[in-house]
Amino acid sequence: DQQVKQNSPSLSVQEGRISILNCDYTNSMFDYFLWYKKYPAEGPTFLISISSIKDKNEDGRFTVFLNKSAKHLSLHIVPSQPGDSAVYFCAASDYGSGNTGKLIFGQGTTLQVKP
Amino acid sequence: DTGVSQDPRHKITKRGQNVTFRCDPISEHNRLYWYRQTLGQGPEFLTYFQNEAQLEKSRLLSDRFSAERPKGSFSTLEIQRTEQGDSAMYLCASSLGVSPTGELFFGEGSRLTVL
Repeated sequence: DQQVKQNSPSLSVQEGRISILNCDYTNSMFDYFLWYKKYPAEGPTFLISISSIKDKNEDGRFTVFLNKSAKHLSLHIVPSQPGDSAVYFCAASDYGSGNTGKLIFGQGTTLQVKP
Repeated sequence: DTGVSQDPRHKITKRGQNVTFRCDPISEHNRLYWYRQTLGQGPEFLTYFQNEAQLEKSRLLSDRFSAERPKGSFSTLEIQRTEQGDSAMYLCASSLGVSPTGELFFGEGSRLTVL
């Protein structure tokens, strides 16, 4: 069962425009939602997260929106830059379930920002 | 560099051989996680340690897989009698307790190719 889903395998945007990456989840007990960025041959690096008690978190060019009723979150990158080209993973954690802190990842979306 | 370190970065082996990967977490991080990532998929949770205790194992961790963290510092992941389906990137992550952002810190991974 895929608890975290990213239904768009790829996204291509022009430099300077907005990139919107989407993520859906099924488990209403998730406490935190995170976005990671991954370059080829490197490990995932943390980008931004949001607690389930909030609906928006912003950090510079990156904003994450959470819609709990729809079990949906999105990452907005404005303005997009060529260096943002990478694979983006949505992840969720459920601290209430054994407090392991483990993350459950989506399949990833490959973002290409064209100059 | 004080990040999560993994060794080796790449391993090519023949089917049926045993392989071992090592992970050195960030110093003083008490939580350590192993993940596996295959092409086109997000990282999948394998197992979790808190200090030296292995507290959770995924059903993905067959009996050919064993992980240890003998002194609560570095960890090893051994795969016995490798199969071609074991070919993947093996990622290690660590954290100090429950991060306020939910973040796990990932290493660069160990890529396994089974011929």
